[in-house]
Amino acid sequence: DQQVKQNSPSLSVQEGRISILNCDYTNSMFDYFLWYKKYPAEGPTFLISISSIKDKNEDGRFTVFLNKSAKHLSLHIVPSQPGDSAVYFCAASGGGSGTYKYIFGTGTRLKVLA
Amino acid sequence: NAGVMQNPRHLVRRRGQEARLRCSPMKGHSHVYWYRQLPEEGLKFMVYLQKENIIDESGMPKERFSAEFPKEGPSILRIQQVVRGDSAAYFCASSPLPTGDEQYFGPGTRLTVT
Repeated sequence: DQQVKQNSPSLSVQEGRISILNCDYTNSMFDYFLWYKKYPAEGPTFLISISSIKDKNEDGRFTVFLNKSAKHLSLHIVPSQPGDSAVYFCAASGGGSGTYKYIFGTGTRLKVLA
Repeated sequence: NAGVMQNPRHLVRRRGQEARLRCSPMKGHSHVYWYRQLPEEGLKFMVYLQKENIIDESGMPKERFSAEFPKEGPSILRIQQVVRGDSAAYFCASSPLPTGDEQYFGPGTRLTVT
C-alpha cells in the first residue's frame, strides 16, 4: 500500500527552465510534507518542507505547493541548474503514525541538461 | 559539526551470517531512526530509538532484526542469519527533536547478501 506516490520515475529539463516534480498521497491525515534530494552513494539531504496549514513555502529557487483537497504536492525549481540533477524524494508524516515516521515516495530522477 | 556517520559503507555477507550496521548521530542529537531502501523503492521506516530506548519498532521485520542505541557509542542495527532479500541500502537519520521534524541522514550502508 503505497501511501506516497511519485508517478514520474524520471524527468529531463533544460538548464534555466523550470523543473516541476509531483507527488500524490492517499492519507488525508498527513500534516507535514518534505522534499529530499539524493545524489548517488549519499544519503538524502533535506531540501524544503511544508506544513498542512500552508499551501506554499518558498526557499530561494525551491518552492513547494500543497493542494490538500487533491492530496497533491509539487516541487518547483526555478531556474534549474545542472547541479540539481539528482533523485528527489517526497515524504509525508503525521496521520496518527507519528510525526517522526516519514513515508517516502519512490523518487523522481531529475536530469538538468546544460 | 560532523554529519551523521554510518559504517561500513558497503558490507557483503553470505546467507546465514550476521550483519552489524553502525550509526553515529550528529552531535547533540539523541533521536535516531533507521530506514531501509530496497531496489527501485523509496525509503521505508524501520525503527526509532532514543538513548537506551526503543520508541517505535513498527517497521522492523519480526524476526532476525534488532536495533539498539546504547548510552555510549553508536546505534547498531543487527541482522541475524541474513537472506538475499535483506540486500538493500540502510540509512540512519538523527534528529535533535522528538517530533523528528529535522531528520539528517547518513550516507547509508549498502548490504549485499551473496
